[in-house]
Amino acid sequence: TQLLEQSPQFLSIQEGENLTVYCNSSSVFSSLQWYRQEPGEGPVLLVTVVTGGEVKKLKRLTFQFGDARKDSSLHITAAQPGDTGLYLCAVVNQAGTALIFGKGTTLSVSS
Amino acid sequence: ETGVTQTPRHLVMGMTNKKSLKCEQHLGHNAMYWYKQSAKKPLELMFVYSLEERVENNSVPSRFSPECPNSSHLFLHLHTLQPEDSALYLCASSQERTGGFNYGYTFGSGTRLTVV
Repeated sequence: TQLLEQSPQFLSIQEGENLTVYCNSSSVFSSLQWYRQEPGEGPVLLVTVVTGGEVKKLKRLTFQFGDARKDSSLHITAAQPGDTGLYLCAVVNQAGTALIFGKGTTLSVSS
Repeated sequence: ETGVTQTPRHLVMGMTNKKSLKCEQHLGHNAMYWYKQSAKKPLELMFVYSLEERVENNSVPSRFSPECPNSSHLFLHLHTLQPEDSALYLCASSQERTGGFNYGYTFGSGTRLTVV
């Protein structure tokens, strides 16, 4: 069974702080995606990582895929209130038919 | 309209009612999905349609019945639901995986369903 463990479950920080959230598994994946979901909306794709050790940057967000392609991290520099939301990691299921998701990290950034 | 549109946004129904959720995409995608999002649980995959054919029914009770009349529309028909079925129901679409590449999903805003 593929399981994606995300940590921490909740994170509440002040504007300007840095943070890192994690997505871990015992399985190896060909790719991994990160999504952000704001209250009352569906998840929105942020990035897809494919190669072990890959680092991708999206403005203040830095995504890394683990060397063994079993885990990933998302680092946010100088967090802003607009970063508030649920951050989800996702991989393709074993059947290859659809994405499965972790429980997510709920981030709250206050000004 | 662009993206994925879900209607209604909110639905309250009794356990004996029959209702339908609608999802529409104008992105030219050929795969569509239903997910259930409950508090403290990961998104749960319910159904997968690829090129209008159902390719996965993830052990979903028969009181949920999907329908995909064409590649742009997806429905979820509901009948005799239970209070524990109250959740956010999300529809998504994507290009079908090819060559092992996983295209991103575009989600709708969801239907918040409350069963009373």
